[in-house]
Amino acid sequence: QKEVEQNSGPLSVPEGAIASLNCTYSDRGSQSFFWYRQYSGKSPELIMFIYSNGDKEDGRFTAQLNKASQYVSLLIRDSQPSDSATYLCAVIPSGGYQKVTFGTGTKLQVIP
Amino acid sequence: SQTIHQWPATLVQPVGSPLSLECTVEGTSNPNLYWYRQAAGRGLQLLFYSVGIGQISSEVPQNLSASRPQDRQFILSSKKLLLSDSGFYLCAWGDRRSSYEQYFGPGTRLTVT
Repeated sequence: QKEVEQNSGPLSVPEGAIASLNCTYSDRGSQSFFWYRQYSGKSPELIMFIYSNGDKEDGRFTAQLNKASQYVSLLIRDSQPSDSATYLCAVIPSGGYQKVTFGTGTKLQVIP
Repeated sequence: SQTIHQWPATLVQPVGSPLSLECTVEGTSNPNLYWYRQAAGRGLQLLFYSVGIGQISSEVPQNLSASRPQDRQFILSSKKLLLSDSGFYLCAWGDRRSSYEQYFGPGTRLTVT
């Protein structure tokens, strides 16, 4: 079982719709959770992080964490073509803050 | 604000040649530093990380090595490159003052021919 799992996609949504990206993790003691956006050929860019159960909103982005079910999601409201990218979920596992475990990413395509 | 630099941006090297990639961070002190490799269409593979000067942890046994000669400098090296070393090399720093989130440099695209 992979430590951090994401559907590779592509996830296609029409412009203006809500894009929902999901991530599950295997380590129940995981502590902090991150979402990165990576445009093709570029380095990952941190969008949000969350460490408490519930929702965290930042502009058009909302991160949701459910530790009991071991999943974290990212909602993008009013999706724009510029949101088309690969979204990486990352998790700090139990046992230390030195390393972050990354998922392989979900490719999002926003159709104009 | 913090900035992370990597160079060179692109590199084409023949098999068997040496490698040296450098990463420097500005605007913070005593960061955690990381080297990742991303093969085409693949996920991020952690190669090395460092929590302090001279402290290097290796995640994958291979022909690469890393060094941290100064607090905000991280170097990735190889004595002899293999074809399989091709990829996108990313340096990142981790913020200990916050939630240990990592911030990435612009990356070096290495092609071994």
